[in-house]
Amino acid sequence: AQRVTQPEKLLSVFKGAPVELKCNYSYSGSPELFWYVQYSRQRLQLLLRHISRESIKGFTADLNKGETSFHLKKPFAQEEDSAMYYCALMLERGGYNKLIFGAGTRLAVHP
Amino acid sequence: EAGVVQSPRYKIIEKKQPVAFWCNPISGHNTLYWYRQNLGQGPELLIRYENEEAVDDSQLPKDRFSAERLKGVDSTLKIQPAELGDSAVYLCASSLVGRTEAFFGQGTRLTVV
Repeated sequence: AQRVTQPEKLLSVFKGAPVELKCNYSYSGSPELFWYVQYSRQRLQLLLRHISRESIKGFTADLNKGETSFHLKKPFAQEEDSAMYYCALMLERGGYNKLIFGAGTRLAVHP
Repeated sequence: EAGVVQSPRYKIIEKKQPVAFWCNPISGHNTLYWYRQNLGQGPELLIRYENEEAVDDSQLPKDRFSAERLKGVDSTLKIQPAELGDSAVYLCASSLVGRTEAFFGQGTRLTVV
């Protein structure tokens, strides 16, 4: 079955420390993966997608098909990075796309 | 640009009562989604529309949930009757046809007591 696993409910770090939010997926097809972020009192929004191979707000994520992972990384965390982060897998179903989300990881960056 | 607009933001109802949520997608977005997010979980798709056609409603509990998207713009999601387990945040999202980025609304937090 298709599944997205985010093993950590909470990740707590100090400002300036490196951050890695883990995401593993289960999917037999060719995966398309995303990271969504929800800041306090704001709506869920796209942070980055693996096909773009981009860095957004200092975050990067590399798709590792061998380990079926798509971990989100940032070398130096900032307080404004505190938020809920959701990893999502795009499935193709009957010609249409469907997003499956993980349970999310709360990142808390302390001063 | 207001983005995806949902109302109400919060709703508290007694079990067995009906409830409805409304969503206005971003102008020009033909694809509309309704998601449910239970506490401590990620969003789960309930139904997806392409224009006015529901193309994926496999996760919608059809015995008590219904949705419509008249004229392919605004959409309503209804629960009748509501149960305690329906307490969750209901999210609406929209996207351009063929694009994978979905834009989310603020959500409606439903509490069934």
